[in-house]
Amino acid sequence: DAGITQSPRYKITETGRQVTLMCHQTWSHSYMFWYRQDLGHGLRLIYYSAAADITDKGEVPDGYVVSRSKTENFPLTLESATRSQTSVYFCASEGLAGGPGTDTQYFGPGTRLTVL
Amino acid sequence: AQSVTQPDIHITVSEGASLELRCNYSYGATPYLFWYVQSPGQGLQLLLKYFSGDTLVQGIKGFEAEFKRSQSSFNLRKPSVHWSDAAEYFCAVAVNRDDKIIFGKGTRLHILP
Repeated sequence: DAGITQSPRYKITETGRQVTLMCHQTWSHSYMFWYRQDLGHGLRLIYYSAAADITDKGEVPDGYVVSRSKTENFPLTLESATRSQTSVYFCASEGLAGGPGTDTQYFGPGTRLTVL
Repeated sequence: AQSVTQPDIHITVSEGASLELRCNYSYGATPYLFWYVQSPGQGLQLLLKYFSGDTLVQGIKGFEAEFKRSQSSFNLRKPSVHWSDAAEYFCAVAVNRDDKIIFGKGTRLHILP
């Protein structure tokens, strides 16, 4: 399917476990992003990537790890999940022209993660 | 650092009434400005964006926004809302072409029948 997809859509895990959230886009967009959405905080950028093998921290990167070995995939890993990481996670991608913030960001449907 | 403020957490309007959602940004120069909508259980969809030029920007679904430099504002408007407009709306800002987008905390729009 064309577009941007996330998996799983729902995940329940326990404190201390490693969890990986997947993001896949079919447009060959250069930029990809991970956000978390929490009540009272809106969307906060966790990590972003300008291209394969290039990643950078966003506003709230602590406790998360990302990789980008292929342009179309941008997995987000919680190495040791904590309750404070219970949130809805959104992946987004954006075209190359003009760099981030100048083109349209397309969002995935989100992953609702609960850490018990 | 740049920031964006949406002063209204919730807004309730009657179906058919006009709508204005407020957004203020903090930055000395002209930033890149966006409005996104999020329907329940969905991701975000871009409504419109402003980079330069005409300060009145037309978007999808009948929305428009006006950039006012003197007020550091980028308010979203719609002349007549429909029940399907009930959603959460996010204003966002990027300082320049190489910067990341910063989102406001959102305004939830409720529509009365």
